[in-house]
Amino acid sequence: SAVISQKPSRDICQRGTSLTIQCQVDSQVTMMFWYRQQPGQSLTLIATANQGSEATYESGFVIDKFPISRPNLTFSTLTVSNMSPEDSSIYLCSVEEGVRNYNEQFFGPGTRLTVL
Amino acid sequence: GQQVMQIPQYQHVQEGEDFTTYCNSSTTLSNIQWYKQRPGGHPVFLIQLVKSGEVKKQKRLTFQFGEAKKNSSLHITATQTTDVGTYFCAGPPLGSGSARQLTFGSGTQLTVLP
Repeated sequence: SAVISQKPSRDICQRGTSLTIQCQVDSQVTMMFWYRQQPGQSLTLIATANQGSEATYESGFVIDKFPISRPNLTFSTLTVSNMSPEDSSIYLCSVEEGVRNYNEQFFGPGTRLTVL
Repeated sequence: GQQVMQIPQYQHVQEGEDFTTYCNSSTTLSNIQWYKQRPGGHPVFLIQLVKSGEVKKQKRLTFQFGEAKKNSSLHITATQTTDVGTYFCAGPPLGSGSARQLTFGSGTQLTVLP
């Protein structure tokens, strides 16, 4: 199973600044996913990061606010731009792997972001 | 868009009691997946069900996928304190096989009292 690390694990940021979150996987994967989990809430898919092409964003999320890079098959970054307190969330990256016939998702440990 | 709801939102049980969470989708699902998130942790995959009416067991956990592939349930027999966490169902709409369109349920937060 994939092992995923994220940096930073947590951060406290000021309103109007930007934060870049890194996600590293120990194996090559085609697609990586970025989720947001607001306090006490479920997970919401932000975008799918494809290597060699632009990320695909879900409804309600735009590239200007959440630019994503995917320079190779083991790494991706998500930037939260021009932050406001409403961006305070846990941000998780994940990958999908077929194990037997399953497409289970493996999640990174998450980045806990607080915006003041 | 697709919505996936779970009930109950919260459940407190005494250790040794049974627990069930129910998952309902507004659209037919290609498959249903269940994840467990411990407090302060990240979601961890538990199981995937694909076939209509499928039932799978993992020790004290029983997972069921509805005949119409729009609902699912997770039942835990004789809960233990290690079962504490939030249980999420998740699934892509029919015709989608990847996480590209994975929608997570609202989650059920389980507390087990010793």
